[in-house]
Amino acid sequence: GENVEQHPSTLSVQEGDSAVIKCTYSDSASNYFPWYKQELGKRPQLIIDIRSNVGEKKDQRIAVTLNKTAKHFSLHITETQPEDSAVYFCAAGDGNEKLTFGTGTRLTIIP
Amino acid sequence: EAQVTQNPRYLITVTGKKLTVTCSQNMNHEYMSWYRQDPGLGLRQIYYSMNVEVTDKGDVPEGYKVSRKEKRNFPLILESPSPNQTSLYFCASRQSLSGNTIYFGEGSWLTVV
Repeated sequence: GENVEQHPSTLSVQEGDSAVIKCTYSDSASNYFPWYKQELGKRPQLIIDIRSNVGEKKDQRIAVTLNKTAKHFSLHITETQPEDSAVYFCAAGDGNEKLTFGTGTRLTIIP
Repeated sequence: EAQVTQNPRYLITVTGKKLTVTCSQNMNHEYMSWYRQDPGLGLRQIYYSMNVEVTDKGDVPEGYKVSRKEKRNFPLILESPSPNQTSLYFCASRQSLSGNTIYFGEGSWLTVV
């Protein structure tokens, strides 16, 4: 089955700096790569996703890049703000409902 | 309002006592899933369903059962709960393959003693 590795497990950045979280996946059949943000005590929420026919996608301060050859994808958050502090999960899916998540990155923005 | 509703939200039960966590969505979604979330392990998929009467195992199905008799409901059944099933459980639904957004329920905290 699919295996998704996520790094780092914790990340602290100064407010205004950029944050990068990386994930690798094992199954070349995976074609859907979403990122979720989970604030303390709340449910995960989708923040951005990318499909395997696209190399990069951007939404305001958030961007995701995908390298299919190397089987890795990354989340980039620019101009970080205190409200960006949360746990972030990457995931890889096969186009059906099967979705495998990474183990999460706890991002802390230092004011 | 689009909703995925789980019940109960909090439960403490004893080993071996069968329990069911209900999940209902009001968006007419075909796809529904159950996940468990444990510290350091992220979200792991237990079972998923692509439509009524169509279910399949996720990554950690052992000790769980599901059913999808109606489109809106996708209950998670623990026939004989054990302490290693103590976890935070999320139900989720999605419209279709082209519908990217997964809607999660608020989560159910389950403790098995």
